[in-house]
Amino acid sequence: DQQVKQNSPSLSVQEGRISILNCDYTNSMFDYFLWYKKYPAEGPTFLISISSIKDKNEDGRFTVFLNKSAKHLSLHIVPSQPGDSAVYFCAAMTTNFGNEKLTFGTGTRLTIIP
Amino acid sequence: DAGVIQSPRHEVTEMGQEVTLRCKPISGHDYLFWYRQTMMRGLELLIYFNNNVPIDDSGMPEDRFSAKMPNASFSTLKIQPSEPRDSAVYFCASRNRDSEAFFGQGTRLTVV
Repeated sequence: DQQVKQNSPSLSVQEGRISILNCDYTNSMFDYFLWYKKYPAEGPTFLISISSIKDKNEDGRFTVFLNKSAKHLSLHIVPSQPGDSAVYFCAAMTTNFGNEKLTFGTGTRLTIIP
Repeated sequence: DAGVIQSPRHEVTEMGQEVTLRCKPISGHDYLFWYRQTMMRGLELLIYFNNNVPIDDSGMPEDRFSAKMPNASFSTLKIQPSEPRDSAVYFCASRNRDSEAFFGQGTRLTVV
């Protein structure tokens, strides 16, 4: 039972354009969401997060949007750069004490075309 | 801090052999997670510890898998006996309650 879903295994975007990565979740108890980026032969690294009390969080070229009613979040990268080519994982968790595990999606491989 | 350190980086073993993966979390972090990455399931949580105590091991696939955390600076994930379907990349991650999780570089396990 995949509680966090990334339905697009791959995405190709022209350099300079906007990249939009999508993520859906099923567990209504999730209240904190994160995006991780992973290069080959490395561990995932934290990119950006958002609490369920917000609907948007921005950090430089990266913006995460959260639509709680649709149980959907998205990561926007603008402008896209070649160094953004990586696998992006969406993750979710509840912040209730005693249940702090991060549940990840299956990832989306983003390729930025020069 | 050097980050989360995992060893070995690569492990090739024969079916039936015992495999032990090791992890040193970031000093001061009180949560430690073991994940397995596969194409089909992405990053799958196997088990996590809080203050060295296992909290949730519901993701451990079978009794062949076991994990320990004897102290705050060391954890092991053991597979005995190993099978070809265990081949994957295994990640260890650690964090504090109010921080994001930091991952190690992973151990690529191949069981032949």
